[in-house]
Amino acid sequence: GEDVEQSLFLSVREGDSSVINCTYTDSSSTYLYWYKQEPGAGLQLLTYIFSNMDMKQDQRLTVLLNKKDKHLSLRIADTQTGDSAIYFCAEVDTGTASKLTFGTGTRLQVTL
Amino acid sequence: NAGVMQNPRHLVRRRGQEARLRCSPMKGHSHVYWYRQLPEEGLKFMVYLQKENIIDESGMPKERFSAEFPKEGPSILRIQQVVRGDSAAYFCASSPWDSTEKLFFGSGTQLSVL
Repeated sequence: GEDVEQSLFLSVREGDSSVINCTYTDSSSTYLYWYKQEPGAGLQLLTYIFSNMDMKQDQRLTVLLNKKDKHLSLRIADTQTGDSAIYFCAEVDTGTASKLTFGTGTRLQVTL
Repeated sequence: NAGVMQNPRHLVRRRGQEARLRCSPMKGHSHVYWYRQLPEEGLKFMVYLQKENIIDESGMPKERFSAEFPKEGPSILRIQQVVRGDSAAYFCASSPWDSTEKLFFGSGTQLSVL
């Protein structure tokens, strides 16, 4: 079955860049997503990338996709304390009608 | 435009009771999905529904769990005879019919079984 893996924890200083990594196994993944979850809240869709793209930029967020290595990363420029949260990588094969497979999440801690 | 609304936010049940979790999708969204998040884990797909139809329930436990999305009213996830292992956060998501690759999630219902 599909599997999505992430490292559990990342700590960065305010103002630095954060890079959160994710690997997946399903070669038929069509869309790959990054969600943000703040304490006690639901998941906020940050960005997503179609599998035929290798990069997408949206303000402070840059998503890089290496389809050959099945590796996805999220870079947050100028990380702020408000970016502290858990970040989930997810993938979907549109053949499975939006049944997302999530990673276990990376907890980002931003220190002053 | 209100987001995906789930209630209650917190639900406490004793073993053997029934739990009913409600989800109102975003306005204009006709597809609803339920996911479960166990402590320290990612979300796991449970069921995908359209109005009056279950499209994919491959992630639902075979017994005690059921879901519906009636023509009128919210989607309901029902858990009968709850056990401690059902304690989790249950998230609902919705998407429009023409953009099912984009899911919007509610804030979840935290179910605690005593």
